[in-house]
Amino acid sequence: QSMLTQPPSVSGAPGQRVTISCTGSSSNIGANYDVHWYQQFPGTAPNLLIYGDSMRPSGVPDRFSGSKSGSSASLAISALQAEDEADYFCQSYDIVLSTYVFGTGTTVTVL
Amino acid sequence: EVQLVQSGAEVRKPGESLKISCKASGYRFTNFWIGWVRHVPGHGLESLGFVHPADSDTRYSASFEGQVTISADKSLNTAYLQWTSLQASDTAMYFCVRPVMAWSQIDLWGQGSVVTVSS
Repeated sequence: QSMLTQPPSVSGAPGQRVTISCTGSSSNIGANYDVHWYQQFPGTAPNLLIYGDSMRPSGVPDRFSGSKSGSSASLAISALQAEDEADYFCQSYDIVLSTYVFGTGTTVTVL
Repeated sequence: EVQLVQSGAEVRKPGESLKISCKASGYRFTNFWIGWVRHVPGHGLESLGFVHPADSDTRYSASFEGQVTISADKSLNTAYLQWTSLQASDTAMYFCVRPVMAWSQIDLWGQGSVVTVSS
């Protein structure tokens, strides 16, 4: 299956802003399908963090935000905290594959 | 509590069959699609397919059509993922998932079931 491309890792000091990119193509993000983001801690199931490009489920801190432009999307963490150290991945729908496509995943490290 | 509880870890030999399960609770099972996503270390997440328990309408990702069978028993509120002849490449963590609606965000994940295929 085709995948969305993310950087393998990003890092930052507590309080810093970090962003994670998610690059797709004209058959998924570029076709204006919604992008969703998930947070996953080791050994646990993923948890929905952002849906519909930029919407936060209840309970998700407002330091997490999402955006989309063209065939790419981004997740921003505005004020990094130690508990944000986790894996993050994006997800969209691909009209050619007729299925979900997922990002390659990004590990966030808090320095 | 709204949750998906999956069956435990399995070890099989190549060529053997396997059926893993996912029991839903806390919501009306027949109102939502339910499906399977796998995680192979180093290969990210892949969607296998989904079933709607109300009418057993099933959609497979092209890569997995004919390789697995996805089903649901609405009397048991349980979804299943089945193989008739496992291969080593099927070794992965399999997550049962519930999207909010067809092909939208996944708001509910099972805890995962590790399937190991090795001779």
